[in-house]
Amino acid sequence: SQKIEQNSEALNIQEGKTATLTCNYTNYSPAYLQWYRQDPGRGPVFLLLIRENEKEKRKERLKVTFDTTLKQSLFHITASQPADSATYLCAPSMNRDDKIIFGKGTRLHILP
Amino acid sequence: EAGVAQSPRYKIIEKRQSVAFWCNPISGHATLYWYQQILGQGPKLLIQFQNNGVVDDSQLPKDRFSAERLKGVDSTLKIQPAKLEDSAVYLCASSKQLTNTGELFFGEGSRLTVL
Repeated sequence: SQKIEQNSEALNIQEGKTATLTCNYTNYSPAYLQWYRQDPGRGPVFLLLIRENEKEKRKERLKVTFDTTLKQSLFHITASQPADSATYLCAPSMNRDDKIIFGKGTRLHILP
Repeated sequence: EAGVAQSPRYKIIEKRQSVAFWCNPISGHATLYWYQQILGQGPKLLIQFQNNGVVDDSQLPKDRFSAERLKGVDSTLKIQPAKLEDSAVYLCASSKQLTNTGELFFGEGSRLTVL
């Protein structure tokens, strides 16, 4: 069955450093992959979408890569700030009509 | 632009009771989703509507859960009778696109506690 794995442990990063979060998937080949941010008690908020034919996508301090050979997406936050502390969810979908499945998320703590 | 509205924000019920959640998506958004998020887990899709038709309800426990989207706008999700394992946050999301290639806009969620 389709499986999505994100860093199971919380990630602690020093302010100013680059945070890198991993999303691995098995038993399928998504054509699209989205990343969301979720703060406690709030709904997820969309950050970036990357397509299988795009190796990398950037938005301000955020960068996402999509390696279809490794079946992995990496999510980077450069010059991290305490305000970046949140849970980050990856959400692949097989194709334009397939449902969007969310990973469990990775809790990120940026330490001042 | 107003976001996705959900109510109630919190609900506490006894097991075997019923509960209903309401969602008003962003105006003009064709696709509406209900997700269930158990503490420590990612959101799990329960049902997806395009306009007022069901696209995917494969993970909806149909013996106790039901959902409708009348006139392709508002939606309600009902649980009857509730079980302890239904304790979760129920998230409604909407998308402008008819396909799953656009961003989802989520509401704040309805937190259900079943005692």
